[in-house]
Amino acid sequence: EPEVTQTPSHQVTQMGQEVILRCVPISNHLYFYWYRQILGQKVEFLVSFYNNEISEKSEIFDDQFSVERPDGSNFTLKIRSTKLEDSAMYFCASSEEGAGGETQYFGPGTRLLVL
Amino acid sequence: AQSVTQPDIHITVSEGASLELRCNYSYGATPYLFWYVQSPGQGLQLLLKYFSGDTLVQGIKGFEAEFKRSQSSFNLRKPSVHWSDAAEYFCAVGGNNFNKFYFGSGTKLNVKP
Repeated sequence: EPEVTQTPSHQVTQMGQEVILRCVPISNHLYFYWYRQILGQKVEFLVSFYNNEISEKSEIFDDQFSVERPDGSNFTLKIRSTKLEDSAMYFCASSEEGAGGETQYFGPGTRLLVL
Repeated sequence: AQSVTQPDIHITVSEGASLELRCNYSYGATPYLFWYVQSPGQGLQLLLKYFSGDTLVQGIKGFEAEFKRSQSSFNLRKPSVHWSDAAEYFCAVGGNNFNKFYFGSGTKLNVKP
């Protein structure tokens, strides 16, 4: 069964450093998403991406964040200058289309720790 | 605004006992409702979803959930829990006019032998 994969599974970085989280969505899916979960809090939407551009972003997704689909398979989330409060589990998801309520398939997550 | 509440942070049940995990949502129109499960080191796996029609939906691994509009609830049930069901369970809501999901905080299920 096709699945979403994410690398790395864990990342430790120093405050102020740049990190890139990588995701490989399911191959025939067209919509991609990033969510995050700060420890003990809800899973929160960050951004959705379609046709090589952001379709929606939350207020969390400020100028420190960017997303890119650098090739036909990868989807990346970059945090330019990490802050302590960026420590969280980051989930990538994909769906076939972006129809409202369509099932999103999630990866295993990357746990980011900013020191 | 849309939101999801899972009132139980941790639940412990004995193996073989029945299970009910609670989920309440807030959304002005007909919601699309999902339950996901996350085992350690794994991604969020879809258990089941409600779009429309029959309010009792069946999912994988013997789980079912019932949509109750009057109570704004979508509780997850299983008649007999297995040790392998120990995991964290997330309820999520989607809608017609947006393609992002709103998640609850999750419920961690512990299964006693």
